[in-house]
Order: sequence, then C-alpha cells, then structure tokens
Amino acid sequence: AQTVTQSQPEMSVQEAETVTLSCTYDTSENNYYLFWYKQPPSRQMILVIRQEAYKQQNATENRFSVNFQKAAKSFSLKISDSQLGDTAMYFCAFMSPTTGTASKLTFGTGTRLQVTL
Amino acid sequence: GAVVSQHPSRVICKSGTSVKIECRSLDFQATTMFWYRQFPKQSLMLMATSNEGSKATYEQGVEKDKFLINHASLTLSTLTVTSAHPEDSSFYICSPRLAGTYEQYFGPGTRLTVT
Repeated sequence: AQTVTQSQPEMSVQEAETVTLSCTYDTSENNYYLFWYKQPPSRQMILVIRQEAYKQQNATENRFSVNFQKAAKSFSLKISDSQLGDTAMYFCAFMSPTTGTASKLTFGTGTRLQVTL
Repeated sequence: GAVVSQHPSRVICKSGTSVKIECRSLDFQATTMFWYRQFPKQSLMLMATSNEGSKATYEQGVEKDKFLINHASLTLSTLTVTSAHPEDSSFYICSPRLAGTYEQYFGPGTRLTVT
C-alpha cells in the first residue's frame, strides 16, 4: 500500500517570503500522480498543483512550484511571495491509476501553514 | 468550471435519526464519487467509492448499512447516515471525479452534529 508522509505538522512564514513544505511517499508503482491540495479555514479543498510521475519537469502554477525527486520519492511544495490568503492546511496526495478512474487518493496528514504580517 | 455543491452545509440531528447529504456536480459528469470523513485537525479519511448505477465499495471499518450511498446519476450522489449517534458527528466531504479522467474535485463539505 502507498503511504504519504508530511513531517511538518505546522509551519509559519512571513508575508512575501518563501516557504517549502515537504512530502515523501512510498510506492512500488512507476506510473502515478502527485498532488498538493489546500484547505483554508472554509474547509473547501482546492487543488494547488499536480505532477505526473512520468514528467521530469517540475510543475509550476504561478507562485506555487514543486520539487519532484522521483528516485528519492520526494515531492515538496514551494510557495513564493507568500500571501495572507495562503494560510491553510496543505495536504500532499498520491494516486496510482491501477484501477482506472476509481483509483483512490492517498493523503498525507497535512501541514498547517500560517502566513504572518 | 468544476463546481460541486453539497447540501446541507450544516445539520444538527438527534441521536437515532437519519440524515441525508446530497452532492451534485453542477457543470460536469462524474462516473465515480468518493465520500470522505474528516475529524478536526486531521486528514481526509476515505469512506467509500461509488460508480454511477453500481453499489458502493466501502473501506475497511466503514459500516455499509450505516452509511448508505446512492449514486443514481452522473451528477448526483447521496450519503445517508442512518440511526445517527454522537460519534458520527464529523465533517463529510464528497468528491466527484470527472468522467474518463483522474481529475477529482471536492464539495464544500457538510458538518454533521448529532446530539
């Protein structure tokens, strides 16, 4: 079974600074997807960024980028120019499409990020 | 695009009663629906997976007779908590997957409180 580990329960960053959230996973699969989701105080889950394992290039979405190290099974999220609205719980997630479109997401335990003035 | 609605957003019910939670994908079709439960300050726990027109597949430890899932159409799924007890109090989140893809979206969640 796949596991996802987020070793930082809480992090804090000042506005406009950069922060990196770590995530490691364990799998024997070669083809899979990795995700970062954001859950703000409203509790609405929002997809931040996605990475396909077969792509060597790290995914980027505006201020959000990932450092995907397949051999190390590491998938960290970098948030640049942090904004107050980035305050949220961040979940790393893994999915291997072994059962087609019913394949499940495996979530990490989350990192609570607080952006301060 | 990819708007998911969930109703009600909050519900309080008495112990022993049943509560139905509706999840709708408003602008896309979802052949697969995932239902999650989330306790305070914890991650999402998958309860069950359902495909349109088929019976749901429940995760280990989730009582299928207590948490009834119906996925009658490509845009609507319901979760009914039967004979609710205080320990069923939680935040429930639906997550439809766009048909034919691995794109998964999330509803805004339903906070259930059983008194």
